[in-house]
Amino acid sequence: SQTIHQWPATLVQPVGSPLSLECTVEGTSNPNLYWYRQAAGRGLQLLFYSVGIGQISSEVPQNLSASRPQDRQFILSSKKLLLSDSGFYLCAWSGLTNQPQHFGDGTRLSIL
Amino acid sequence: DQQVKQNSPSLSVQEGRISILNCDYTNSMFDYFLWYKKYPAEGPTFLISISSIKDKNEDGRFTVFLNKSAKHLSLHIVPSQPGDSAVYFCAASRRGGSQGNLIFGKGTKLSVKP
Repeated sequence: SQTIHQWPATLVQPVGSPLSLECTVEGTSNPNLYWYRQAAGRGLQLLFYSVGIGQISSEVPQNLSASRPQDRQFILSSKKLLLSDSGFYLCAWSGLTNQPQHFGDGTRLSIL
Repeated sequence: DQQVKQNSPSLSVQEGRISILNCDYTNSMFDYFLWYKKYPAEGPTFLISISSIKDKNEDGRFTVFLNKSAKHLSLHIVPSQPGDSAVYFCAASRRGGSQGNLIFGKGTKLSVKP
């Protein structure tokens, strides 16, 4: 069966520090991969999606970037974190477009 | 502009009764709809989906109804159980749109009281 792993579960970072969140999927090949953010009191906002290695699409302009160095690995990064980057970050995968996306347990990011 | 709206931030229901969660959308191009359930500090879990060619899909205690003319969908949980207490998100997408672009509502927090 397919599983998705995200780490760390919680992270506290100072403003201006770099960020790297990692997500890996097991049990499937060539998944679509996604990064979402849920800010306090808001719904899930799609940040990035990827349909293959090295292929990244960004949905919103922001201070973050994403990379997919391997088929089942998706990384969310920032060179310099802002206070507004605080939130709950979720990675997800799907087999094909318009199939259900399956989420990891998320990373709670707090910027001080 | 919010394309998917869940107008009730919270809902409280007695155990054993029906829970009805509502969702409205504005984009008539949406043709695939999903419901997710989320517990605190966990990622959303997929519950049930419906394609626009159907008006009802059922899976155990969960049924999703789609009214395309009203651009409205609802999730019915019967009978409700205390373990159903969670935040429920509705999401929508359209074929031919940006791949994977699920648009989520802000969620409805369901509390099922024993």
